[in-house]
Amino acid sequence: DAMVIQNPRYQVTQFGKPVTLSCSQTLNHNVMYWYQQKSSQAPKLLFHYYDKDFNNEADTPDNFQSRRPNTSFCFLDIRSPGLGDAAMYLCATSRTSGGANNEQFFGPGTRLTVL
Amino acid sequence: SQKIEQNSEALNIQEGKTATLTCNYTNYSPAYLQWYRQDPGRGPVFLLLIRENEKEKRKERLKVTFDTTLKQSLFHITASQPADSATYLCASRDTGGFKTIFGAGTRLFVKA
Repeated sequence: DAMVIQNPRYQVTQFGKPVTLSCSQTLNHNVMYWYQQKSSQAPKLLFHYYDKDFNNEADTPDNFQSRRPNTSFCFLDIRSPGLGDAAMYLCATSRTSGGANNEQFFGPGTRLTVL
Repeated sequence: SQKIEQNSEALNIQEGKTATLTCNYTNYSPAYLQWYRQDPGRGPVFLLLIRENEKEKRKERLKVTFDTTLKQSLFHITASQPADSATYLCASRDTGGFKTIFGAGTRLFVKA
């Protein structure tokens, strides 16, 4: 089945130790998104790629970076995780980035714990 | 700023009844609204989309309405089942950009 896969499902890191979360998709969608979701809060968009075109949200901290080496894969790098970065990180894809057809397909998420 | 607001209080209903969830938007006029279901520890799953020129949309036991005067969408689950227990998120694209704005969701509990 076509899907969005995130690894690992659970990640524990130490304060200040760089961590990378990965996402892959078999849907061949143009757009990939990274969201941060804290408990009982709305998913918050960090950035998205339209093909290789990177779009950073204005309020995304510099501590968060992303790479998309090819259509299928996208990575979220947190350079120096703080306690406030503990959250669920959701990867999503869509065929387009705008318009009514941008139904998003989400992966299962990676739960990040910062010690 | 553009906002989507959902009732933060959980909704508890009895199996077989109709669940009604509310989504209100402020400071903009979205061309469409989407509804997603999210189970604990999982990513959201798309359910329905309704456009601003559609008053109502149905899919099996689900019904969504869009009232541009009230700036509100209602999401109904008829003949609710315990398996419908989850958090339901309302979302839309902000005007002039490609960013999807999500509400924080409303938690639904359906008791057998």
